[in-house]
Amino acid sequence: EAGVVQSPRYKIIEKKQPVAFWCNPISGHNTLYWYLQNLGQGPELLIRYENEEAVDDSQLPKDRFSAERLKGVDSTLKIQPAELGDSAVYLCASSLVRGAGQFFGPGTRLTVL
Amino acid sequence: ELKVEQNPLFLSMQEGKNYTIYCNYSTTSDRLYWYRQDPGKSLESLFVLLSNGAVKQEGRLMASLDTKARLSTLHITAAVHDLSATYFCAVDMYNNNDMRFGAGTRLTVKP
Repeated sequence: EAGVVQSPRYKIIEKKQPVAFWCNPISGHNTLYWYLQNLGQGPELLIRYENEEAVDDSQLPKDRFSAERLKGVDSTLKIQPAELGDSAVYLCASSLVRGAGQFFGPGTRLTVL
Repeated sequence: ELKVEQNPLFLSMQEGKNYTIYCNYSTTSDRLYWYRQDPGKSLESLFVLLSNGAVKQEGRLMASLDTKARLSTLHITAAVHDLSATYFCAVDMYNNNDMRFGAGTRLTVKP
């Protein structure tokens, strides 16, 4: 069974440019999460989806970040415009239902110059 | 606000020794998770603890949960080099839609 797929794995952009990350969760997993992980720290939840509905986006900086999960499967996280402080690893995870163990993707390492 | 604290943050131990990592959280939790992360890799789920007194074991790792004390422990028995990684606990609170990770414990097992 394929795990959580994320792309790209690495992205280097200049500040003020837009960037998008893509996530394909494990088949059948209804709950999808986007996390931000800074170096040496634990992941911080940005947004959680139950199917196609964003049910917890309180930590998402809505002035520059946006996310969507069309049809309740794949999801895209976008930053526009990117700032230097956005450099981090962006992790996607999925679970069968909320409360079950989460399966994490490999992450996208973003560097903003 | 939910806070999750792990200690120690750094742990260096000899092979064959035992040690415990602690995870304290600030408010009533619905469930607690332990994850492992190798350098440059993503997180791997180790345990999901659902209720007070829950204990789970996998190989040399054993996790327990005391919801009254708001404390979970991850015990390492007879450590081996392959256990070197960063271990995170995470707490999930259904009522207020909050989930937080601890800062992680970076474990190094030396021969």
